[in-house]
Amino acid sequence: DQQVKQNSPSLSVQEGRISILNCDYTNSMFDYFLWYKKYPAEGPTFLISISSIKDKNEDGRFTVFLNKSAKHLSLHIVPSQPGDSAVYFCAASGRGGGSNYKLTFGKGTLLTVNP
Amino acid sequence: DTGVSQDPRHKITKRGQNVTFRCDPISEHNRLYWYRQTLGQGPEFLTYFQNEAQLEKSRLLSDRFSAERPKGSFSTLEIQRTEQGDSAMYLCASSFGGRQVYGYTFGSGTRLTVV
Repeated sequence: DQQVKQNSPSLSVQEGRISILNCDYTNSMFDYFLWYKKYPAEGPTFLISISSIKDKNEDGRFTVFLNKSAKHLSLHIVPSQPGDSAVYFCAASGRGGGSNYKLTFGKGTLLTVNP
Repeated sequence: DTGVSQDPRHKITKRGQNVTFRCDPISEHNRLYWYRQTLGQGPEFLTYFQNEAQLEKSRLLSDRFSAERPKGSFSTLEIQRTEQGDSAMYLCASSFGGRQVYGYTFGSGTRLTVV
């Protein structure tokens, strides 16, 4: 049972435009959400995160939006750059017990930014 | 400190052989995690150490898998009698303090191919 879902395996955008990557979750115990970026043959690199007490977090070109009622979050990248081309993973962690140290990942979305 | 180091980067082994991977976490991090990523999937949690104590093992970690963290520094992950289904990227991560997921840093991984 996939608790974190990224339903778009791939996304292609033009340089300078906005990239929107989506993520849905099913576990209501999740209270902290993260986005990771992964290049081939490298480990995931932390990008941005958001706590469930917030609905938006911004860091430079990257903004994450959280809609708790819909159990949905999205990552906006604007403007998109060719160097942003990578696989983006949505991840979540929960409260209570041991779940606050484990990350549950989605399957990832391959973003391609075309020059 | 250059981050989380994993060795080897690639390992090809014949089915039935034993393999061992090493992870050196960031020196001040007392928490260490192993994840596994198979093709088309996000990383999946395998096990977690706080200092030298192994505090949780996923059901994904069969009896053929064993992980250690002697002296609370580096960690090893051994797979005995490898099977083709063990082929994956094995990722190590470390963190320190507070809500552990805040400071998660991943290594570049060890890619295992079982032939």
